[in-house]
Amino acid sequence: DQQVKQNSPSLSVQEGRISILNCDYTNSMFDYFLWYKKYPAEGPTFLISISSIKDKNEDGRFTVFLNKSAKHLSLHIVPSQPGDSAVYFCAASRGSGNTGKLIFGQGTTLQVKP
Amino acid sequence: DVKVTQSSRYLVKRTGEKVFLECVQDMDHENMFWYRQDPGLGLRLIYFSYDVKMKEKGDIPEGYSVSREKKERFSLILESASTNQTSMYLCASSSPPGPNTEAFFGQGTRLTVV
Repeated sequence: DQQVKQNSPSLSVQEGRISILNCDYTNSMFDYFLWYKKYPAEGPTFLISISSIKDKNEDGRFTVFLNKSAKHLSLHIVPSQPGDSAVYFCAASRGSGNTGKLIFGQGTTLQVKP
Repeated sequence: DVKVTQSSRYLVKRTGEKVFLECVQDMDHENMFWYRQDPGLGLRLIYFSYDVKMKEKGDIPEGYSVSREKKERFSLILESASTNQTSMYLCASSSPPGPNTEAFFGQGTRLTVV
């Protein structure tokens, strides 16, 4: 049972435009959400996170939105740059009784065209 | 600068061999994880450890075992390698859960079983 789902395997956008990556989750006990970015032949690197007590978190060009009622989060990249081309994973963890274990989605490959 | 180091970037092993993947972190983190990444499946948790000599199964533990004799080192063992264990293996570590708990990843080991 996939508790964290990224239904779009790939996304292609033009440089300078907005990239929107989506993620859905099924477990209402999740209370902390993260986005990771992964280049080929490298490990994932942390990008941005959001706690369930918030609905938005912003860091430079990256903004994450959380809609708890819909169990949905999204990552917005504005403006998109060619260097943003990578695989993006969303992940979730549970606070109460949490061991720090992260559950990941399948990933979305973003291509930003110059 | 935080660091999670995996002993090998690339490995080629024969079917039936016993394979050891080593991971070392220098952040004094309690939690350590082993994931595998496969196309379309995202990052799937194999095992994690929340303390020395303590471990828990993840989502896909079959065919794997782990060892954590020291806090900084977490080893993944393929008891008898099979071709369906050809994958990218990623080690991660994190501090105990909190508002900003994030996992730090190593660079990955690309294992090919022939």
